[in-house]
Amino acid sequence: QVQLEESGPGLVKPSQTLSLTCTVSGGSISGSGYYWSWIRQHPGKGLEWIGYISYTGSTYYNPSLKSLVTISLDKSKNHFSLKLSSVTAADTAMYYCARGFGVVTPLFDYWGQGTLVTVSS
Amino acid sequence: QTVLTQPPSVSGAPGQRVTISCTGSSSNIGAGYDVHWYQQLPGTAPKLLIYGNNNRPSGVPDRFSGSKSGTSASLAITGLQAEDEADYYCQSYDSSLSGLYVFGTGTKVTVL
Repeated sequence: QVQLEESGPGLVKPSQTLSLTCTVSGGSISGSGYYWSWIRQHPGKGLEWIGYISYTGSTYYNPSLKSLVTISLDKSKNHFSLKLSSVTAADTAMYYCARGFGVVTPLFDYWGQGTLVTVSS
Repeated sequence: QTVLTQPPSVSGAPGQRVTISCTGSSSNIGAGYDVHWYQQLPGTAPKLLIYGNNNRPSGVPDRFSGSKSGTSASLAITGLQAEDEADYYCQSYDSSLSGLYVFGTGTKVTVL
């Protein structure tokens, strides 16, 4: 059974960089066909896909966040990470990591439990 | 930017049937891309409920079903139960500048 777990600071100051890590257990992050994604949910709101890194290391980001986001992969630690720069209060949200799977229309079959990040001074 | 539109809320009595619509456009659902559905129980992460328009992962009760037609998709819950009270989201792929993965606006299902 694949499990994902987010970790990182729960409080980030405005203008700083938000950094989160998602550790994958029960499966290899190098497995072919998977897209390791970050998704966030603002308080009381819907889901917003942030971006993904594939098993080959290629990345794709939500165009609305592209200039601020970096997702990286560490195969030796079986985890992937999110960096979101120049954060503002609008980046306060629950951040989920998830495994994307599928060729034509990837779906998210495994999710972490989420980690709440608050942006405040 | 809203790409997939869902009704904010639907409700029904136990045992009833409710449906949730997911309206897209020619760059996502209408382009033939699959629709997936997620259930988010209060305080928990979303869970895959329906994939590929009308397929249920192992363990999902058969009272949940999905369909797709044109630029829209629907999720139906028959024999509504108290434990179905949750938020439901559709998801698809969008080929425009909106981003690769797009989610619906979400629907709160209330069991009366």
